[in-house]
Amino acid sequence: EVVMTQSPATLSVSPGERVTLSCQVGQRANTNLAWYQQKPGQAPRLLIFGASTRATGIPARFSGSGSGTEFTLTISSLQSEDFAVYYCQQYNDWPPSFGQGTKLEIK
Amino acid sequence: EVQVVQSGAEVKKPGESLKISCKGSRNSFTNYWVGWVRQMPGKGLEWMGIIYPSDSDTRYSPSFQGQVAISADKSISTAYLHWSSLKASDTGMYYCARLGGVYGDYGDYWGQGTLVTVSS
Repeated sequence: EVVMTQSPATLSVSPGERVTLSCQVGQRANTNLAWYQQKPGQAPRLLIFGASTRATGIPARFSGSGSGTEFTLTISSLQSEDFAVYYCQQYNDWPPSFGQGTKLEIK
Repeated sequence: EVQVVQSGAEVKKPGESLKISCKGSRNSFTNYWVGWVRQMPGKGLEWMGIIYPSDSDTRYSPSFQGQVAISADKSISTAYLHWSSLKASDTGMYYCARLGGVYGDYGDYWGQGTLVTVSS
């Protein structure tokens, strides 16, 4: 299974700030990477697929970039509803695998 | 609008069997893969396996091969996750998702989750 490493594990930020989350894939994944948001007690929500394509209904403040083994998710101006756990997932190799998550918490 | 609805929470004893379900609205599973994801208490997401309801083609992650069975009934747009003999370590939240992408790559519409508790 492809190892996924997300950093940092926890990030304390203030509303309005710009934040960048990182995801490192253990082997080349081309652009076959997705990002999800999960709030407590809720199912994951797809934000980004194909490394940079926003899913339906996702606000423009969310953007993804990267290819190969290094990927980032950027939130341009944090809103109160964005405090959650974020997961990356590769789907270049079977089985698909998730990172361990980055928790965004209010500073 | 695509909706995915899962069956309710279950409390079972070790050794018991269990089948949970995942139903897609109208034709939302037609020509799509459906996947199952486990989340153990306080932990991250784990990809279990996927099924193509139209022909029941099924693929399992190695960690879950032989531990669970995935099936589907295309006539009612429903996928299932089945255990023949539960263990305490099966306790967790189980999500199903309709999968986007060419090969069932990522979850674009998710169910609300089914909490499975296995305890003697």
